[in-house]
Amino acid sequence: GAGVSQSPSNKVTEKGKDVELRCDPISGHTALYWYRQSLGQGLEFLIYFQGNSAPDKSGLPSDRFSAERTGGSVSTLTIQRTQQEDSAVYLCASSRSNGAQGEQYFGPGTRLTVT
Amino acid sequence: GENVEQHPSTLSVQEGDSAVIKCTYSDSASNYFPWYKQELGKRPQLIIDIRSNVGEKKDQRIAVTLNKTAKHFSLHITETQPEDSAVYFCAASNDDYKLSFGAGTTVTVRA
Repeated sequence: GAGVSQSPSNKVTEKGKDVELRCDPISGHTALYWYRQSLGQGLEFLIYFQGNSAPDKSGLPSDRFSAERTGGSVSTLTIQRTQQEDSAVYLCASSRSNGAQGEQYFGPGTRLTVT
Repeated sequence: GENVEQHPSTLSVQEGDSAVIKCTYSDSASNYFPWYKQELGKRPQLIIDIRSNVGEKKDQRIAVTLNKTAKHFSLHITETQPEDSAVYFCAASNDDYKLSFGAGTTVTVRA
């Protein structure tokens, strides 16, 4: 079946602009995760959704970052007033189970470049 | 919160030799330890995982060991092949939703 998809695959934006990144999880997966991967770094946890609820937003780097999930499916990550340090690959993952102990299936990521 | 350290950051091995990557974690409550492989330009994929009630797990050429007392776990790849070249990430979690990842190890298998 279809895996996790993300759009756009690449996004170049000017500093100060807002961007929206989209994630389509695997159908039936209730858990959804957003991570940020900077060049040569590991995966930094941003936020987790169980259904439409986000129990923990503490991983979001600043109040310029927000995320929502509707219908227990699609999620969008919004970055307002982008800064150059926001440049990274943003990865989305989903899992069937409630909790990290189910395999997380990753999307291909969105490469964000802020100029 | 959980802190996962991973070593080495880069590893070059001759084809056919073994590769070992080591990770330590800080939260003694962590009980789930997956390993993800990320090939260049591709998404991370789970290759093996281990839970805290098991000391070792093997899947063909890949094995993972866990030492709960010392709070470290390792990935072992035997008979390495060129397709094993990738970045490998360890991670740790307790019963909640959050995976804490190591910084990654870039493995290069020389032909």
